[in-house]
Amino acid sequence: QVQLVESGGGLVKPGGSLRLSCAASGFTFSDYYMSWIRQAPGKGLEWVSYISSSSSYTNYADSVKGRFTISRDNAKNSLYLQMNSLRAEDTAVYYCANLLLWFGELSHFDYWGQGTLVTVSS
Amino acid sequence: DIQMTQSPSSVSASVGDRVTITCRASQGISSWLAWYQQKPGKAPKLLIYAASSLQSGVPSRFSGSGSGTDFTLTISSLQPEDFATYYCQQANSFPTFGQGTRLEIK
Repeated sequence: QVQLVESGGGLVKPGGSLRLSCAASGFTFSDYYMSWIRQAPGKGLEWVSYISSSSSYTNYADSVKGRFTISRDNAKNSLYLQMNSLRAEDTAVYYCANLLLWFGELSHFDYWGQGTLVTVSS
Repeated sequence: DIQMTQSPSSVSASVGDRVTITCRASQGISSWLAWYQQKPGKAPKLLIYAASSLQSGVPSRFSGSGSGTDFTLTISSLQPEDFATYYCQQANSFPTFGQGTRLEIK
């Protein structure tokens, strides 16, 4: 069955860096767009970034543009999020999910991991 | 950016009730709308995509409708496991979510 398992979260000081990983199994990872979505404590869902199946296209929310970098390794069935210059407002649970296309257009998130908590605090 | 506005923000209902949640987009998004259910401490779960297509394995008491800017999620007969928070989501150029609707037990 489909599994997405995030790792790499933890406590980091403001201005610090962290790299999240997402290990995928149970589907052909290289066929799918992948994405990171976050949820601050007690708040709603916020899309962070997505990457196309071949890494040709990436996109970022304005709130993380220039600080976060999404990447993938299809040989390892893995998705990554490099987070630099972290701020308190980046504190959240970070989920990886596959982003499906519908008739060639970005559509919806099919499967989600369980999330990894990132806490930015001094 | 396309803004998604859900209403109500919270609703109280009883088992067996019919509940409708509304999502409005700030500009037309055709039928590119999805609905998710999230329970405390868990990842969101896809319920509906393309406005009205039921995800495999999701009970038929869930249904979605709408196009353009106005969409609804309807639960025809609430079950105890349906009490959760529901989010709508569009992905016209990049994904955005509604603020969520918390469905509570009356």
